[in-house]
Amino acid sequence: QQQVRQSPQSLTVWEGETAILNCSYENSAFDYFPWYQQFPGEGPALLIAIRSVSDKKEDGRFTIFFNKREKKLSLHITDSQPGDSATYFCAASDGGNNKLTFGQGTVLSVIP
Amino acid sequence: DAGVTQTPRHEVAEKGQTIILKCEPVSGHNDLFWYRQTKIQGLELLSYFRSKSLMEDGGAFKDRFKAEMLNSSFSTLKIQPTEPKDSAVYLCASSLAHGENTLYFGAGTRLSVL
Repeated sequence: QQQVRQSPQSLTVWEGETAILNCSYENSAFDYFPWYQQFPGEGPALLIAIRSVSDKKEDGRFTIFFNKREKKLSLHITDSQPGDSATYFCAASDGGNNKLTFGQGTVLSVIP
Repeated sequence: DAGVTQTPRHEVAEKGQTIILKCEPVSGHNDLFWYRQTKIQGLELLSYFRSKSLMEDGGAFKDRFKAEMLNSSFSTLKIQPTEPKDSAVYLCASSLAHGENTLYFGAGTRLSVL
C-alpha cells in the first residue's frame, strides 16, 4: 500500500504564481519529512525538510506547512520560476533512521 | 568530492537476461539504498545497507532482485531473470548513518527490457 500520497500528479502554474503541492501519510511513527526535487536525467536532490515537532519550515521561496493531527503537509513555492519546473517528491522516515518512504511525485511546470 | 556514481546510465536487455547495475556511494557514507522509480509508483525501496550489512530487502522484489555490497565503496543490483515490467529507472543513494541525514542520489540507470 502507498504510505505516502501526493497530489496533484501534475501541476501547471504561471511564472510568479504560488504552486502548492500536497502530501499525506498513514504511519503515525513518521517524524521527519523531506521534499526532494528532481530534474530530468538527474537523481532527486534534497530541497527542504521538516520534523514533526514543527508546523512550518521556510527556506527562501519554499515553505513546508505541516499538520500532524491530519497527517498532512504541503510545499508552497512562491513566485514560481521556470527553473522550478521539476518533479517534487514528498518523503517520510521514522525513528531517526535514513530509510525514506517516498510518494509518487508531483510534476510541476512553470510557464513563463 | 565525487557524488554517487551509477553505471551504466542506460541498459537494454532481452526478457530473461541477467543484468547487473553498479553503484559507487559517496566516500565515507555508511548507508546505501537502491530504489526503483516509475511514473505510477514513484520511488520504491529495493534494498538498504548499513555499513555493508543488509538491513532491508524490499519484500515484493526479493525473488528476482539481489543487491550486494562487496565493500564500502561498491554495490551491485542484479536482476535475474529480467521481465518487461522491470523497465524503470534504478536509483542508488547514500548517506551518513545515524539520524536524519540527506540522501545523495546518483543519476540512475534507465533499464529497458524488451
